Amino acid sequence: GAVVSQHPSWVICKSGTSVKIECRSLDFQATTMFWYRQFPKQSLMLMATSNEGSKATYEQGVEKDKFLINHASLTLSTLTVTSAHPEDSSFYICSVHSGTAGKSYNEQFFGPGTRLTVL
Amino acid sequence: KQEVTQIPAALSVPEGENLVLNCSFTDSAIYNLQWFRQDPGKGLTSLLLIQSSQREQTSGRLNASLDKSSGRSTLYIAASQPGDSATYLCAVRRSGGADGLTFGKGTHLIIQP
Repeated sequence: GAVVSQHPSWVICKSGTSVKIECRSLDFQATTMFWYRQFPKQSLMLMATSNEGSKATYEQGVEKDKFLINHASLTLSTLTVTSAHPEDSSFYICSVHSGTAGKSYNEQFFGPGTRLTVL
Repeated sequence: KQEVTQIPAALSVPEGENLVLNCSFTDSAIYNLQWFRQDPGKGLTSLLLIQSSQREQTSGRLNASLDKSSGRSTLYIAASQPGDSATYLCAVRRSGGADGLTFGKGTHLIIQP
């Protein structure tokens, strides 16, 4: 499967600041990447679909002006949490869609996640 | 709206036992279903992917079945080992395009040595 990295693995920031999280597909050119959020003891919730060269598609209830997504290349998508607040503290995970070619048909491969703590 | 439920929420068994983890989904119009493993504070590792036209998939000691019409999937773990301890997540894809997944809350599994 695809190898996906995220940076940073954890970050602590002050309330009101912005934080950028990177998601990289190391061995696969990904037209589509996804961003998920996971609160403690909860499941992963899809936030948005990141499409290379076009605007991201956000799930209902996710503020697009707060969670800025940029998918400038086939191997990199970034999520910027703007004016972060304590309630934004969560585990953010990205995934890469494998497409419809090859062995991994329409499969998703996940990064290791980024733990965000907003003080 | 698709909802995915996993039962049990937690399970603790002695090493060597065979296990069955259950997953159910409310909308049977899924494209495929994936089982993942998540270790504490870590990302997800894909275990098995079942396309909607398939009934089961096997990988080593793991076997996943899918009954799309009844909205159910099971993950069977044979001869469990302490290293199998993790949270197991079930997720469904709603369409054939590049679409996100809807996850269950997971089953927290502990295998006692």
